Amino acid sequence: QKEVEQDPGPLSVPEGAIVSLNCTYSNSAFQYFMWYRQYSRKGPELLMYTYSSGNKEDGRFTAQVDKSSKYISLFIRDSQPSDSATYLCAMMVSATNKLIFGTGTLLAVQP
Amino acid sequence: GAGVSQSPSNKVTEKGKDVELRCDPISGHTALYWYRQSLGQGLEFLIYFQGNSAPDKSGLPSDRFSAERTGGSVSTLTIQRTQQEDSAVYLCASSPRPTVNTEAFFGQGTRLTVV
Repeated sequence: QKEVEQDPGPLSVPEGAIVSLNCTYSNSAFQYFMWYRQYSRKGPELLMYTYSSGNKEDGRFTAQVDKSSKYISLFIRDSQPSDSATYLCAMMVSATNKLIFGTGTLLAVQP
Repeated sequence: GAGVSQSPSNKVTEKGKDVELRCDPISGHTALYWYRQSLGQGLEFLIYFQGNSAPDKSGLPSDRFSAERTGGSVSTLTIQRTQQEDSAVYLCASSPRPTVNTEAFFGQGTRLTVV
């Protein structure tokens, strides 16, 4: 079993829809939870990170962490075609500084 | 430079040859990571450098893989006697924080194809 599981998709939604992306994990020691966005043939770029449980909002993006369920989510409101990319979750135990990534979910927002 | 720079952007090599991949991190960043991204496999951790500390090499898949970081800046990932399963995108990232590296900035990667 992988430490971090993520549905690879693809996920196709119409413009303006609310998108929900999720990851589950098995290592209860993870403390930091990140979401990266990766456009085709580019390196991943950090969208948001959360420490421990709770919610964090940044514009149209909201990250949620539920440590009791070992489940994290990224919500995108009012999705735009420019949001079409692969979204990767990543997690880290601060003592190791090693980012463990999910496989990524390919999102397509149709105009 | 403005971001993490990797070279070459593409590399095609014959099975059995050695290859060197280069990463120029963002100036002043103390932490540097190498990851490998294969189709449908996500990002696989390879190695992590932090300042003058001994690198975390726990992700290197075999002794054919090695990496060094000279002067706390430029890093080179070397793959000896390449195999077809080494074909992947190799990504480098750097981070400004000396402790918790939650803000890793990635380069565009080197796409390695072993034929």
